[in-house]
Amino acid sequence: GQQVMQIPQYQHVQEGEDFTTYCNSSTTLSNIQWYKQRPGGHPVFLIQLVKSGEVKKQKRLTFQFGEAKKNSSLHITATQTTDVGTYFCAGPGKLSFGAGTTVTVRA
Amino acid sequence: GAGVSQSPSNKVTEKGKDVELRCDPISGHTALYWYRQSLGQGLEFLIYFQGNSAPDKSGLPSDRFSAERTGGSVSTLTIQRTQQEDSAVYLCASKPGTYGYTFGSGTRLTVV
Repeated sequence: GQQVMQIPQYQHVQEGEDFTTYCNSSTTLSNIQWYKQRPGGHPVFLIQLVKSGEVKKQKRLTFQFGEAKKNSSLHITATQTTDVGTYFCAGPGKLSFGAGTTVTVRA
Repeated sequence: GAGVSQSPSNKVTEKGKDVELRCDPISGHTALYWYRQSLGQGLEFLIYFQGNSAPDKSGLPSDRFSAERTGGSVSTLTIQRTQQEDSAVYLCASKPGTYGYTFGSGTRLTVV
């Protein structure tokens, strides 16, 4: 299956600030999915991107799929303590998960 | 059911014992996946079912691991002769088609 790389591995954010996490693949992806896992919880599906250059928003979260369909990003604005957790991207097929970006927030 | 159900939620077993982990997917979801997650780590793919068939067993760590799915529904992951390195959270996920996966809450396995 496809290998996806996520950066950064850890993101420590001041409450109210913005941050972005990135997902990169060496091969073209037919789609990419994003999941959030709260501490002690299980991954929860957030969104799927399919089209080249697609941008989708969920409240303060903005997801983007690159033009070449090899990379994706998740941008969170005005970070809140509820954003704490690990964000995974995943390619299609047998769901090749990235290693995740673990986000902590300081109030 | 309304979600993916996994049982038991926690399992403590002695080294060398066999364990069975159960996953009851969302009704009608044809694809079912097993993953393993060690503390603070990412998701390690174990096995995938499409219906009752397992076209991809490439992630099973050793021949001590096996899985089956019956009736296109419930799946069981069996670990024989458990070792301490098997300690992890075992997650099951199902999906209806081409959209997102729904994960169960997992089974936390501790081998002592």
